[in-house]
Amino acid sequence: GDSVTQTEGLVTLTEGLPVMLNCTYQTIYSNPFLFWYVHYLNESPRLLLKSSTDNKRTEHQGFHATLHKSSSSFHLQKSSAQLSDSALYYCALTRNSGTYQRFGTGTKLQVVP
Amino acid sequence: NAGVIQTPRHKVTGKGQEATLWCEPISGHSAVFWYRQTIVQGLEFLTYFRNQAPIDDSGMPKERFSAQMPNQSHSTLKIQSTQPQDSAVYLCASSLGDWGGYAEQFFGPGTRLTVL
Repeated sequence: GDSVTQTEGLVTLTEGLPVMLNCTYQTIYSNPFLFWYVHYLNESPRLLLKSSTDNKRTEHQGFHATLHKSSSSFHLQKSSAQLSDSALYYCALTRNSGTYQRFGTGTKLQVVP
Repeated sequence: NAGVIQTPRHKVTGKGQEATLWCEPISGHSAVFWYRQTIVQGLEFLTYFRNQAPIDDSGMPKERFSAQMPNQSHSTLKIQSTQPQDSAVYLCASSLGDWGGYAEQFFGPGTRLTVL
């Protein structure tokens, strides 16, 4: 079945350094949709980025990701981490058939001064 | 727009008791999803309704978990004979139900279930 693999556990970064959270996926479907959701403490998870277009960079709120079907990847990046970026980040995958989104285990990003 | 509403926010039950969790999706959203959030598993899919009809419950533990959507304004997740391993945050999400699958899900605040 479909699966999503993310950078494990906790990533601690110093403010100002670049962010890269890995996401790779497995699916037999040729047109998957990939998502990044962010879950801040005491808030609800919300969509950060989404894409279904191969090799096209998508950006939002300073974060960007590019879907690479050749490597089945959708890594989340940001040029300079901010303290406010500390949160739990989920990568998710859905098929092109209107079914549910399959989430990874999440990566907790902690940005420190 | 109040967003997705979940009640209660916190629930504590004793082992073997029943727990019922409620979700009110965003008005106009036709798809409702239930997830269980744990540190180990992340966001684990449980079940999914579209236009009130159950579509996929492949993530539901069959023996003790059940979900219903009696009308378009609410869904319930019932856990019978709760066990300590059921302790988690249960999240409900709704979406416009785009059949293309490219649908942003809007999550509620979750219900934190603690089974003693």
